[in-house]
Amino acid sequence: GQSLEQPSEVTAVEGAIVQINCTYQTSGFNGLFWYQQHAGEAPTFLSYNVLDGLEEKGRFSSFLSRSKGYSYLLLKELQMKDSASYLCAVAGGFKTIFGAGTRLFVKA
Amino acid sequence: EAQVTQNPRYLITVTGKKLTVTCSQNMNHEYMSWYRQDPGLGLRQIYYSMNVEVTDKGDVPEGYKVSRKEKRNFPLILESPSPNQTSLYFCASSLAAGAYEQYFGPGTRLTVT
Repeated sequence: GQSLEQPSEVTAVEGAIVQINCTYQTSGFNGLFWYQQHAGEAPTFLSYNVLDGLEEKGRFSSFLSRSKGYSYLLLKELQMKDSASYLCAVAGGFKTIFGAGTRLFVKA
Repeated sequence: EAQVTQNPRYLITVTGKKLTVTCSQNMNHEYMSWYRQDPGLGLRQIYYSMNVEVTDKGDVPEGYKVSRKEKRNFPLILESPSPNQTSLYFCASSLAAGAYEQYFGPGTRLTVT
């Protein structure tokens, strides 16, 4: 079967660094996406990885290892507004499979 | 402004009463998709469309229909809604399938009693 696994919740302190992991097992792979979703809102795109390695985008970085079926999202210099759910998703063929999401709580 | 719109945003209906949720995008995207989001289950794909008149089932298509007669519109039809279709629904579009970010509509919260 196809699956993406993420921790359900992560808590971190403002100003710190937090890593959110995603492991996947899918039949096709066109790339791995990370989306941010604030409560009551639509998901918005954060990053995309198709090759192994680290993609950096300001305070956000995303890493991919295709051989291990593993990705992580790294958030630096955490701010209160980063409190949200973070969804990993794999595009395979014409379909997209999402993980259940990780809720990040940022404490002052 | 580039956007995906959905209507209605909120809907409470009764079992068996046919309903349509509209979705429209103004970005000339080829790929459009419908998802439902339930607590603990994340986003699950219902149907997707690669282009006009080309649609296919996602992972949870039972009880839903779609059509793509125009590139910009991708309505979701529930012919006979049931309480287990109570959920938050998102429409999304992207330039093409696969390696392109999806743009999501604001969501439609549906309650079927």
